[in-house]
Order: sequence, then structure tokens, then C-alpha cells
Amino acid sequence: AQTVTQSQPEMSVQEAETVTLSCTYDTSESDYYLFWYKQPPSRQMILVIRQEAYKQQNATENRFSVNFQKAAKSFSLKISDSQLGDAAMYFCAYRSRGATNKLIFGTGTLLAVQP
Amino acid sequence: IAGITQAPTSQILAAGRRMTLRCTQDMRHNAMYWYRQDLGLGLRLIHYSNTAGTTGKGEVPDGYSVSRANTDDFPLTLASAVPSQTSVYFCASSDARGYTNYGYTFGSGTRLTVV
Repeated sequence: AQTVTQSQPEMSVQEAETVTLSCTYDTSESDYYLFWYKQPPSRQMILVIRQEAYKQQNATENRFSVNFQKAAKSFSLKISDSQLGDAAMYFCAYRSRGATNKLIFGTGTLLAVQP
Repeated sequence: IAGITQAPTSQILAAGRRMTLRCTQDMRHNAMYWYRQDLGLGLRLIHYSNTAGTTGKGEVPDGYSVSRANTDDFPLTLASAVPSQTSVYFCASSDARGYTNYGYTFGSGTRLTVV
């Protein structure tokens, strides 16, 4: 079975600085998707970024980028120019490619942004 | 507004009582899911449905049941609530068209407290 591990329960960053959130996963599959979700205090689950495993190029969405290391099964999220609105719980998630569409989540990293 | 509606938003429930959490989507997604979120454990899958008329068990199904009579509705029932079922419950849906990368759409969650 696939597993997702986030080893940083909490992180803190100064406003305008850069922070990297770690995520590792375990799978025997070669084709899959990886996601980062943001959950602010409102409880809403917001998709931040996604990566297809067959793509070598790292995904980027504005200030958010990933470092996808397939051989190491690592999928870290980098937030550049951190803003107060980035403060939230961040979840890494894995999904197999195919009809079985279930998302497997990590335990989350709570990010605080200091002004 | 297209999306997922969950009800109630929050509920305090006496142990031993029966409770149904409602989930309705208007996007005609074929797959739907129920997760529970607990601090330090992330989101864990309770039950899922890949299409109307079918359901499956997730990681933590005990004490819960679901039905999928039509595409839009996916209620979650706690037959006899226990305090360990105190959690935030999220309903989600996806357009699981086989080998695609459609993301999940999440509801806003139901905070359930069993006393």
C-alpha cells in the first residue's frame, strides 16, 4: 500500500522569505500523481500544485514550486516570498493513475508566517 | 455555485445516537469520498464510491456506512456514535475518467463532537 510521510509537524517562516516543506512517499507504482493542498483556518481544502510522475519537469504555480525526486520518492514544496496569507496547514497527497482515484494524505505541516 | 454542499456544518451528538452527514454535489462527478481529519493523522479515507450504485471501504470504515443511490448524493451514517468518532468530516468528489489528472473538489467539512 502507498504511504505519504510529512516529517515536519510545524514550520515557521518570516514574511517575504522562502520555506520548503518536505514530503516523502512510498509506492511500487511507476505512474501516479502528487499534490499539495492548503488548508487555512477556514477549513477549506485548496489545491496548491500537482505533479504527474511521468513528467520530469517540476511543477510551478506562481510563488509555489515543487522539487520532485522520483528515484528518492520525495516531493517537497517551496514557497517563495512568503505572505501572511500562506499561513495554513499543508498536506501532501498521492494518487494512483487510473480508475482507482483515491487520494492518500500525509499528516500535514502547519506553517506559520511571521510578520 | 458549482461544488459540494455538506450539512450540518457542525454538530454535537450524544454517544449512542444515530447521525447522518449529508453530502451533495452538482458537478456530475462520478466518484465521491468521505474522509475524516484528525490532528496529527491527516485525512483518512472512510468510504468511497466510484459510481452511483457502488461503494467501497477505505482505511477507517468501522462504525460508518454509506450509500450512493444517485450521482449527486453520498450520505455518511454513524449508526451508534462513539467519542472516538469526534472529528472533522470532509466529503469530496472527482471526475474519475480513468487516466486523467482531475483533482478533487472538497466540501467545507462537518465538525462532529460526540459526547
